[in-house]
Amino acid sequence: NAGVTQTPKFRVLKTGQSMTLLCAQDMNHEYMYWYRQDPGMGLRLIHYSVGEGTTAKGEVPDGYNVSRLKKQNFLLGLESAAPSQTSVYFCASRPKDRGRRQPQHFGDGTRLSIL
Amino acid sequence: GNSVTQMEGPVTLSEEAFLTINCTYTATGYPSLFWYVQYPGEGLQLLLKATKADDKGSNKGFEATYRKETTSFHLEKGSVQVSDSAVYFCALIPLGNTGKLIFGQGTTLQVKP
Repeated sequence: NAGVTQTPKFRVLKTGQSMTLLCAQDMNHEYMYWYRQDPGMGLRLIHYSVGEGTTAKGEVPDGYNVSRLKKQNFLLGLESAAPSQTSVYFCASRPKDRGRRQPQHFGDGTRLSIL
Repeated sequence: GNSVTQMEGPVTLSEEAFLTINCTYTATGYPSLFWYVQYPGEGLQLLLKATKADDKGSNKGFEATYRKETTSFHLEKGSVQVSDSAVYFCALIPLGNTGKLIFGQGTTLQVKP
């Protein structure tokens, strides 16, 4: 009963390094999302995907790229990490439905520090 | 645009006290409304939801009523416990079918024995 699994849970990077955060869901959900959580700002949407092979920009997409090659996986990439990207990153997924009633299911987050 | 505003925290209460966390929203039409809870070190969990005006969502003793006339979705609980200490997020999904959540800034609740 894994749900949404994020790896890694913690990571420290140096400015300019690159890395990829992995999100995997085993619920056969069509929609997947990446958020960042910063103090006093709630969660802000970075990118999202409405299906395999599709991605779209959210509220704060700059400095990030994403890919959804398989339905169950949604990858978030940082090509050249910056201190402003220090944050806690959350992945979420939800099924496609006829309206907007289905809630999103969240992973436990990845705490990323950029030095 | 679409937005959610929550009361600023932290909110500190004694065990068995009454809880209200205010949430108001701005959105076109009838959004779906949610409360999520985040316990320390964990991800967000759905607490309750309401999808149309006058709906009341409830779960684990928490309640919130979708008030279209005041564009509000205040969270209430009659008697809080220490285990309710967490960060609470009000959120909405606006019109459209991508299900993007728009969050408030979160309210930290600390319940003391």
